[in-house]
Amino acid sequence: ETVLTQSPTTTAASPGEKVTITCRASSSVSYMHWYQQKSGASPKLWIYDTSKLASGVPNRFSGSGSGTSYSLIISSIESEDAATYYCQQKSSDPPITFGSGTKLEIK
Amino acid sequence: EVQLVESGGGLVQPGRSLKLSCLASGFTFSNYGMNWIRQAPGKGLEWVASISSSSSYIYYADTVKGRFTISRDNAKNTLYLQMTSLRSEDTALYYCARYGHGGRFDYWGQGVMVTVSS
Repeated sequence: ETVLTQSPTTTAASPGEKVTITCRASSSVSYMHWYQQKSGASPKLWIYDTSKLASGVPNRFSGSGSGTSYSLIISSIESEDAATYYCQQKSSDPPITFGSGTKLEIK
Repeated sequence: EVQLVESGGGLVQPGRSLKLSCLASGFTFSNYGMNWIRQAPGKGLEWVASISSSSSYIYYADTVKGRFTISRDNAKNTLYLQMTSLRSEDTALYYCARYGHGGRFDYWGQGVMVTVSS
């Protein structure tokens, strides 16, 4: 099983600041997907195939990485970005795994 | 518009069974793999089970293997999760999610709550 470790667990940033969320895999994966979940809502696909933005996602979001290290970057935080972000991988064999989540708070 | 609507949740005693349904609309259901993913209260996301478009391939998380059964009826555009021998640790919000290309979950339902308690 490929374990995904996200860091930080929680972070707080002021509007306009840059935030980086990291997801480290216990073994190499081909690509990473990211989801945004706001309080009381279902998760939404946010970034797929490591760096492609899902429909409607602002371009202040970006994704990068390879092998065992991946990142979700927000270049300039806005209040609407407050949410929990999860990474997810699917290798050729199950199980599909998610990171434990990073809660982003806006100061 | 893609819609996934789960139903069938509720309060159930430990050891009992429950069957969840997910009605899909807005896309050709028979062309897509589908999944169940759960989220315990205040916790993260846990993949539960996957089924391919024609039901040829089925996979389960170790935590539910032997107790849960995923199935689908393409004529009814419906995904199912039969849950037996339920435990308190199965208490969670259960989401159905469509399998997009590259193993991503591109659409999610609103979730249905399952509470296992005596």
